[in-house]
Amino acid sequence: EVQLLESGGGLKQPGGSLRLSCEASGFSFSNFAMVWVRQAPGRGLELVSANSAKDGRTFYADSVKGRFTISKDSSTNTLYLQMNSLRVEDTAVYFCAKSMRSMSPEALDYWGQGTLVTVSS
Amino acid sequence: QSALTQPPSVSGSPGQSVAISCTGTSSDVGNHNFVSWYQQHPGKAPRLIIYDVRGRPSGVPDRFSGSKSGNTASLTISGLQAEDEADYYCISFAGSYDYVWGSGTTVTVL
Repeated sequence: EVQLLESGGGLKQPGGSLRLSCEASGFSFSNFAMVWVRQAPGRGLELVSANSAKDGRTFYADSVKGRFTISKDSSTNTLYLQMNSLRVEDTAVYFCAKSMRSMSPEALDYWGQGTLVTVSS
Repeated sequence: QSALTQPPSVSGSPGQSVAISCTGTSSDVGNHNFVSWYQQHPGKAPRLIIYDVRGRPSGVPDRFSGSKSGNTASLTISGLQAEDEADYYCISFAGSYDYVWGSGTTVTVL
């Protein structure tokens, strides 16, 4: 059974840093692209970052470029999102998700339950 | 990374069909067949219901179908049921490992 378990969310002040983790199980972690998607309160979905399993390419939304970094540890089947220089507008539920494919992240067949990040002074 | 355009809401009675449009440009929807659709109930994680314009993951009822014409992709729900009341989002590949989401559509079952 595929499972994705996010952790690391919480309350941070603007300018602070936070690292989210997503522990994956039930599939070959190294063979599939993995992504972080966020949803601000009452808003739509935003693909924050993606990591291709095929060629290591990464995608970042314009809103987080230069501030967020996606990474993964295949030895522990864990996906990370390092979030620096946090802004109030980064407040959202962050979902970890698995792609159906090794590279493209638009077909996400499994999702975690989400972790809430709140940025406020 | 401009959002794909979706109608804010659509509604229908049980048993009816509703269609949700997802309009992009010749750089995204019009130039690729990597369009997916997601269903999201309040407080829940999204669920993939259509991939590659018209592909349907196992377990998704066949009353959900996808199509594309030009720069517009569409999701059709046939035989609308109460549990279909949810938010629906499209996403498209936009070239060079770039992706763009739709703005979301709320489906209401009358």
